[in-house]
Amino acid sequence: GQQVMQIPQYQHVQEGEDFTTYCNSSTTLSNIQWYKQRPGGHPVFLIQLVKSGEVKKQKRLTFQFGEAKKNSSLHITATQTTDVGTYFCAGLRSNDYKLSFGAGTTVTVRA
Amino acid sequence: DAGVTQSPTHLIKTRGQHVTLRCSPISGHKSVSWYQQVLGQGPQFIFQYYEKEERGRGNFPDRFSARQFPNYSSELNVNALLLGDSALYLCASSLDLNTEAFFGQGTRLTVV
Repeated sequence: GQQVMQIPQYQHVQEGEDFTTYCNSSTTLSNIQWYKQRPGGHPVFLIQLVKSGEVKKQKRLTFQFGEAKKNSSLHITATQTTDVGTYFCAGLRSNDYKLSFGAGTTVTVRA
Repeated sequence: DAGVTQSPTHLIKTRGQHVTLRCSPISGHKSVSWYQQVLGQGPQFIFQYYEKEERGRGNFPDRFSARQFPNYSSELNVNALLLGDSALYLCASSLDLNTEAFFGQGTRLTVV
């Protein structure tokens, strides 16, 4: 079955630094979605990427979808304490619409 | 508009019992999906319903079942509970089959 792998599992970042989390699927995706989950909370939708090679920005967050529609990345610049949480990518297959989540990247920030 | 609402928020059950979890989607959303999230892992897909029909099923045993009602609300049922069923159960609604999902706050199920 489809697997979505996400690395790194943990990211410890100095406030003000940049970091990137990566997501890879074993199968071609219809789209990829990114979610953020704060400790004790529920996943909150951030963005959806649909087109091959698509790049979208939300303030300090930059999302990319690979040309083969099998991988994606989230890059955060100038990390702030408000960025703390777990970031999940979720790939949607086109044949059965199952949304498969990666294991997430848990981000902690050193002030 | 209210977001996705789930009930109950917390639940403690004994092994062998059954449980029913409920979900009300965002008004206008026709698709409801259920996920199981174990601590430290990503949500695992259980079911998706669209227009009251099952449109997807994850790798969960037959003890897990669900349904969607005419008003698009949904129930997840789990029979013969096992300790390993302890998890956060998340419901998500979406406008369509391939659009972004909006999650409820979840039901924390503990099986003892």
